[in-house]
Formats: sequence, structure tokens, C-alpha cells
Amino acid sequence: GNSVTQMEGPVTLSEEAFLTINCTYTATGYPSLFWYVQYPGEGLQLLLKATKADDKGSNKGFEATYRKETTSFHLEKGSVQVSDSAVYFCALNYGGATNKLIFGTGTLLAVQP
Amino acid sequence: NAGVTQTPKFRVLKTGQSMTLLCAQDMNHEYMYWYRQDPGMGLRLIHYSVGEGTTAKGEVPDGYNVSRLKKQNFLLGLESAAPSQTSVYFCASSFRGSGANVLTFGAGSRLTVL
Repeated sequence: GNSVTQMEGPVTLSEEAFLTINCTYTATGYPSLFWYVQYPGEGLQLLLKATKADDKGSNKGFEATYRKETTSFHLEKGSVQVSDSAVYFCALNYGGATNKLIFGTGTLLAVQP
Repeated sequence: NAGVTQTPKFRVLKTGQSMTLLCAQDMNHEYMYWYRQDPGMGLRLIHYSVGEGTTAKGEVPDGYNVSRLKKQNFLLGLESAAPSQTSVYFCASSFRGSGANVLTFGAGSRLTVL
């Protein structure tokens, strides 16, 4: 079946460090892929997305490339800030027109000054 | 623009009690969803709706009922709450369309069942 696997956290980094959060997926067909972010006490919000192979999604300095050959969508940022501390969820859209998402378990990122 | 609003934000119930969570969106979205978030399990889809008057089961529907009498509202009901339903519940909505469309989430409702 369809599933998303992302690296377990927490991930603790110092400010200005390089960030990678791994995400791999299993799906039939060609799903769209997403990264959502959840700041403390808030709901999830879309960070970036990619709809087809080799697409690169980017936003707020974060990037992720849809790699069909490795079924991956790893999240990267060159220099993290304290304000990036949050839980990051990788997700895929498997429901076609109904927009149903399957989420990974989430990765907590803590950035220390 | 309020987006997606959930009420209440917090609630404590005793086992066997009933309650309803209300989700309201002002974006004229066709689709609405209820998810639950549990530690180590990410978000799991409970029920969803593709339009006014329609509902469908998601991944974990047991113990919950939903209604979509108005396009802007999606209600999640617990008829007889159980401790296993202690969780944070998120409502989301989206436009109808292709798989590239994205969900807008509410801020969540934290439910504790004693």
C-alpha cells in the first residue's frame, strides 16, 4: 500500500547548521509530495510541494526534490535558524481528486542559538 | 480571512460521555477532513467529505461520526468517548481538483478522555 517513512527525531542543530530530514515513500502511480510544518501550538501549514518527478519545491530557504528513482523527497536547508524549530511532516497525495494525504510520523527539529 | 476554525480548543471528557467538535471554513472549499494526531503516529484520517451532504470513512473511522449539512461546516462526533480517543484533532479543507491541491488546517482541538 501507500506509505511515507521519515527519519525519527528529534533532530537538534546549532543555528546556521545544515539540515537534512529524510523522507521516502511507497506509492502506486505518481503521487504529489509535500512537506508540512507544525509550529508549537499551531496546526500544520504547507511548506513546499512537488507534483512530478525531478520537480524541486522550495520555500523560506527549504528545498526538496522529487526523486522517483530513489522514491525520496528529502528536506534540506543550508542554514537553519532558531525560528525553524518545529515538527516537519512529509506527506503524499494518494487520493487523486479527493486530495487525501498520507503523512509520515513527523520529525521534531530543535535549533539552538 | 479566518481560514479554518475549530471549536472547542480543549475539552476533557469522562469515559462514555459524548461531544461534538465543530470545524468551520470560510474559503468556499469543497473538501473537508478530520485527522487525529498521536505521538509517533503522525496524522491519520478519520473521515472526510467531498461536498455538502456527503461523508466518507478514512483510515480510522471507528467510534466517530460526522456530518456536513452546510458546505462551510464539518462536525465530528463522539457518541461514547473512550480513553483511546484522547488525541489532538485537526480539521482541514481544500478545493476540489487535482492531486496538486493543498490542505488548509485548523489550529487543532485537544481532547482528553478520562
